[in-house]
Amino acid sequence: AQKITQTQPGMFVQEKEAVTLDCTYDTSDPSYGLFWYKQPSSGEMIFLIYQGSYDQQNATEGRYSLNFQKARKSANLVISASQLGDSAMYFCAMRDLSGGYQKVTFGTGTKLQVIP
Amino acid sequence: SQTIHQWPATLVQPVGSPLSLECTVEGTSNPNLYWYRQAAGRGLQLLFYSVGIGQISSEVPQNLSASRPQDRQFILSSKKLLLSDSGFYLCAWSGTGGKNIQYFGAGTRLSVL
Repeated sequence: AQKITQTQPGMFVQEKEAVTLDCTYDTSDPSYGLFWYKQPSSGEMIFLIYQGSYDQQNATEGRYSLNFQKARKSANLVISASQLGDSAMYFCAMRDLSGGYQKVTFGTGTKLQVIP
Repeated sequence: SQTIHQWPATLVQPVGSPLSLECTVEGTSNPNLYWYRQAAGRGLQLLFYSVGIGQISSEVPQNLSASRPQDRQFILSSKKLLLSDSGFYLCAWSGTGGKNIQYFGAGTRLSVL
């Protein structure tokens, strides 16, 4: 079974609007971490936000927030006030005990395009 | 602050030639180090990771090998490249505790012709 599932291959959003990128995960480990990365066309993977399984509140970093719904095993990324520079691939990822906490499993990504 | 350097940025190699990609990290000690490959339009595939000098874990049987001769140096190698080795290679580092957030280098685009 896929450990990280991103069901949206591509998304469009109007500039200045908010957008939600979906991510569901699968683990039986009570302790795990969830990550989102941005990959612009240049190729570099840029860390955006982290959520720990025991964190009581949803993580936020500037315009990025992570909508963590533990019972549903979802960790959606919300980008508020989209900008043209947000156009990129976005990857959800997870580390858990099965990976020895050192390895991270990545989803297949969502391509976000911001429309002026 | 910590920085990660990866080179070269682009590489074109003939089939059967050797490969050496290098990655170095500055500003931290005893990091975990990782090599990933990304095929065009795909996600990241973990190739190797290392938790210390000389300690290499291989995730996928393949034509590649990795070495960690120094604490903050990670090298990806091949004796004879195959066409299927083409792709985008990314090096990453993380701390050894806490969140274990991985931070990536700029990547190397390898074309094997």
